[in-house]
Amino acid sequence: KQEVTQIPAALSVPEGENLVLNCSFTDSAIYNLQWFRQDPGKGLTSLLLIQSSQREQTSGRLNASLDKTSGRSTLYIAASQPGDSATYLCAVKDSGGSNYKLTFGKGTLLTVNP
Amino acid sequence: DTAVSQTPKYLVTQMGNDKSIKCEQNLGHDTMYWYKQDSKKFLKIMFSYNNKELIINETVPNRFSPKSPDKAHLNLHINSLELGDSAVYFCASSQLAGAYNEQFFGPGTRLTVL
Repeated sequence: KQEVTQIPAALSVPEGENLVLNCSFTDSAIYNLQWFRQDPGKGLTSLLLIQSSQREQTSGRLNASLDKTSGRSTLYIAASQPGDSATYLCAVKDSGGSNYKLTFGKGTLLTVNP
Repeated sequence: DTAVSQTPKYLVTQMGNDKSIKCEQNLGHDTMYWYKQDSKKFLKIMFSYNNKELIINETVPNRFSPKSPDKAHLNLHINSLELGDSAVYFCASSQLAGAYNEQFFGPGTRLTVL
């Protein structure tokens, strides 16, 4: 059974700092990994999707890497801003038997202080 | 334009009642999902429909019954509501049920059972 762990559970940084969020998964037989952002009381916004054949994806100040063999992904946020404050969720898609489904981590709550 | 929408956004009801949550997507996707986010913020898949057919049904009480009138809609009906059903319910969609497709989430419905 796939398990996804995110470390740290919470992170507080001053504005302008670069930071890394970590995600690990137990079963490396994944199809892709998706990073989401969740604002309080809001839905999930997809940030980056990395297919299993890819090593990284970039979007603006965000860079996500994937090491499928070791079961790890990182989300790098450059020059953090207060608007980046949110919960960041990592999810992996695997076959879970015969159906493709996302398994989520519990998220990292990021606070960027002005 | 709202890609995945849910109604209502908030739902407060008494134990034992029956309630429904509606979801619609205008992305032209074939596959829709229901996820539950509990009080610990843990997101877990409940159901998935592909072209109006059920393809994922996780270990969910049979008080929960999804219904897909067409591929743009996936509604969730809950009978005999219990306190433990209090959670945020998210609808999502993807182009296909396949391994490599990105999922897009709705804003969530916060259900509170008193």
